[in-house]
Amino acid sequence: QVTLKESGPALVKPTETLTLTCTFSGFSLSSSGMRLSWIRQPPGQPLEWLARIDWDDDKFYTTSLKDRLHISKDTSKNQVVLTMTNMAPGDTATYYCALYGVLSYAFDFWGQGTPVTVSS
Amino acid sequence: DIQLTQSPSSVSASVGDRVTITCRASQSISTWLAWYQQKPGKAPKLLIHSASILQSGVPSRFSGSGSGTHFIITISSLQPEDFATYYCQQSDRFPLTFGGGTQVEVK
Repeated sequence: QVTLKESGPALVKPTETLTLTCTFSGFSLSSSGMRLSWIRQPPGQPLEWLARIDWDDDKFYTTSLKDRLHISKDTSKNQVVLTMTNMAPGDTATYYCALYGVLSYAFDFWGQGTPVTVSS
Repeated sequence: DIQLTQSPSSVSASVGDRVTITCRASQSISTWLAWYQQKPGKAPKLLIHSASILQSGVPSRFSGSGSGTHFIITISSLQPEDFATYYCQQSDRFPLTFGGGTQVEVK
């Protein structure tokens, strides 16, 4: 069965770089059609899609943050890593990883999310 | 970027009520639209994809319709477990985007 779990620091300081890891099981990201995204949600706010990496290593980023984001995968470890540079208080949010398009044309499977606070 | 506008932003309803939520896209997205339900402190759950296809395991009281720029999700008879926030999301083009959410509250 498909599972995803996010991990990373709960607290980062302004200007620091955030590194989040999504560790998954039940599928291989090297299999054709697999696509994994990062999505965030500030407290009390809507969801915001951040980035996606595909089985063929194609990468896509949201427009407003593309200069600060980098997504990569390690298929041997079943992990996807998201880095976000120059963190600011406005980046405080719960960060989710989610798998797209396994059973549908949507985010079928989600991790539980990991909260990140940006504060000095 | 494609903007998704949900209305209303919140709705007060009672168990048994019919609830309708609208999502409008800033440009045509064909049927590349999904609906999610989110409860406090939990990850979103996929309800409907491709505008009208019910995800496996989702109760049939949920239904979706629409194409192009106008989409609707309907809960035919609201149940206690349906009080939550609902989001639409488009996959027509990058960047993928979500609507602002609709909170279904107890009347």
